[in-house]
Amino acid sequence: DTEVTQTPKHLVMGMTNKKSLKCEQHMGHRAMYWYKQKAKKPPELMFVYSYEKLSINESVPSRFSPECPNSSLLNLHLHALQPEDSALYLCASSQDRWGGYEQYFGPGTRLTVT
Amino acid sequence: AQTVTQSQPEMSVQEAETVTLSCTYDTSENNYYLFWYKQPPSRQMILVIRQEAYKQQNATENRFSVNFQKAAKSFSLKISDSQLGDTAMYFCAFRDSGGGADGLTFGKGTHLIIQP
Repeated sequence: DTEVTQTPKHLVMGMTNKKSLKCEQHMGHRAMYWYKQKAKKPPELMFVYSYEKLSINESVPSRFSPECPNSSLLNLHLHALQPEDSALYLCASSQDRWGGYEQYFGPGTRLTVT
Repeated sequence: AQTVTQSQPEMSVQEAETVTLSCTYDTSENNYYLFWYKQPPSRQMILVIRQEAYKQQNATENRFSVNFQKAAKSFSLKISDSQLGDTAMYFCAFRDSGGGADGLTFGKGTHLIIQP
């Protein structure tokens, strides 16, 4: 099983809402990532978890709050977002944080902030 | 910090033709990894091919091959016998071997269109 799943596929939320994105993998990978991708742009790294600990936060605003409940799950909690936060949010995982292991991407959650 | 440059925003070729996508990068590292990822329209990103910088041999995966020129910091992707299903955004990506950023540094992408 080389699949990374993400739910929901689509999400529309107002600027005062609180919502969460979910990501799951069952490949035994120990590194998981959140990326943000705007239309016709490359993905931009937001967070890296390694062995369930936050490893890198690329200076992401605090309205985005990641959580890694266990080695298979990754959540992204959203609160008080802005319209410019509308984007495709991609989750990825790799065997380990170190080295050149392939990152497997999920299909993404398309977020619209109204 | 590393940078990855893809100088072709869009390319269009006929089915069965061979096409080469260019990628250059800038790094002070000696050991690193390079990737080509494919993102079809409304579908998820998948790995096309991977190259380790310390390996001189160019990576090959079926119809996909790379021309890795370490001294020139160039990493181009050649697609042979192109198929309609190859239509996608192609991203060149860089990852160092450790100690630095652990995500992927992506180029801006090349939109490849295969015409029937």
